[in-house]
Amino acid sequence: EVQLAESGGDLVKPGGSLRLSCAASGFIFRNDWLSWVRQAPGKGLEWVGRIRSYTDGGSTDYAAPVKGRFTISRDDSKDTLYLQMNSLKTEDTAVYYCTTLRTDVFRGVIITLPDYWGQGTLVTVSS
Amino acid sequence: QSALTQPASVSGSPGQSITISCTGTSSDVGGHNYVSWYQQHPGKAPKLLIYDVSYRPSGVSDRFSGSKSGNTASLSISGLLAEDEADYYCGSYTVAFTVVLFGGGTKLTVL
Repeated sequence: EVQLAESGGDLVKPGGSLRLSCAASGFIFRNDWLSWVRQAPGKGLEWVGRIRSYTDGGSTDYAAPVKGRFTISRDDSKDTLYLQMNSLKTEDTAVYYCTTLRTDVFRGVIITLPDYWGQGTLVTVSS
Repeated sequence: QSALTQPASVSGSPGQSITISCTGTSSDVGGHNYVSWYQQHPGKAPKLLIYDVSYRPSGVSDRFSGSKSGNTASLSISGLLAEDEADYYCGSYTVAFTVVLFGGGTKLTVL
């Protein structure tokens, strides 16, 4: 059974930093592409970014609102995904979910969409 | 990139059928068959219901079905149960921008 467990959420002041972790089990972690998705209180889902497996290069892609401030990384020896968040803004307040990604190839492009989700961890950015 | 468009709410009585729409553009929903649907109960994580427009993961009830026409995808739920009351989100990949777009979510109320 796929299990994802996020941790690290906290109250942080604007401009501050925070690192989230996502411990995975139940699947071959090193083979999977993974992502972070967030949900502001009472709002919808917003994709944050993704990381490829190291076999596929290990590179990352980010949504425009977080590009340059957030960094996704992975430690395949620990089956753990990370989200380093810097220069936090009040609008970053949200529950952050890690997800596995279903991948397929369409016209030479790798398509990814979330399938399994963790329970989420709350990040509150406030003075 | 704008979010996909979903109705804010839909409702139905137990045993009835409902459909939730998800409208995008030719760059996302209409450009390929990579649309997913997620169910989210209050305070819980989203759960994958449908992938690739119309496929159900193992364990998902066959009361849930998906389809697509042009730039609009749809999720249908038949034989409504009280436990179906939840928020539903569509998601689609945007090839041009290498991002995942989600709909704004639809709250389903079972009357």
